[in-house]
Amino acid sequence: GAVVSQHPSRVICKSGTSVKIECRSLDFQATTMFWYRQFPKQSLMLMATSNEGSKATYEQGVEKDKFLINHASLTLSTLTVTSAHPEDSSFYICSARLASLQETQYFGPGTRLLVL
Amino acid sequence: GQNIDQPTEMTATEGAIVQINCTYQTSGFNGLFWYQQHAGEAPTFLSYNVLDGLEEKGRFSSFLSRSKGYSYLLLKELQMKDSASYLCAVRAAPGDYKLSFGAGTTVTVRA
Repeated sequence: GAVVSQHPSRVICKSGTSVKIECRSLDFQATTMFWYRQFPKQSLMLMATSNEGSKATYEQGVEKDKFLINHASLTLSTLTVTSAHPEDSSFYICSARLASLQETQYFGPGTRLLVL
Repeated sequence: GQNIDQPTEMTATEGAIVQINCTYQTSGFNGLFWYQQHAGEAPTFLSYNVLDGLEEKGRFSSFLSRSKGYSYLLLKELQMKDSASYLCAVRAAPGDYKLSFGAGTTVTVRA
């Protein structure tokens, strides 16, 4: 099946620092990846759509200068949380779209970010 | 905006059957997905419906009625490991690969 990896799985950082999260599709090429955020006991909220070779598309209310997305290759997208603050603490999950009739999204294992 | 509703919690006994309903009101429709998510983990794909009717996959089945904006996920022969959150997600438009998720239904399986 389609496998998506995410790194790191867990990160603790000080307020004001930047954190980079990597999302890789391991056995397929993904022209489109998605970044979600999930707060405890809530559902996934789409932050942005990452398109290979072009700028990301951000959802309303998501600051593009704070959440930098780079999709440099067909298998890698990165999300950088710049100048992180405690309210950015959350579970960040990426998904990659497998081009098919179903266009299924396969999710990475998630990154738990804690900003102190 | 997209509106996707599902019950918050359900409890069932090991070996029983549970049906999780999902209703949606979206700007368009191009497929409905069900995902399973264990606590602290990422969602895993369970099923996909784009046409009306029932899709069966082992112990899990998913049903769709587009005219009613309604789907359900049926879990049969419940096992303890089925305790998880089940997410209903709708893709609103062809060519738009974004998914809108419901809040999830937490299923607890008891011995």
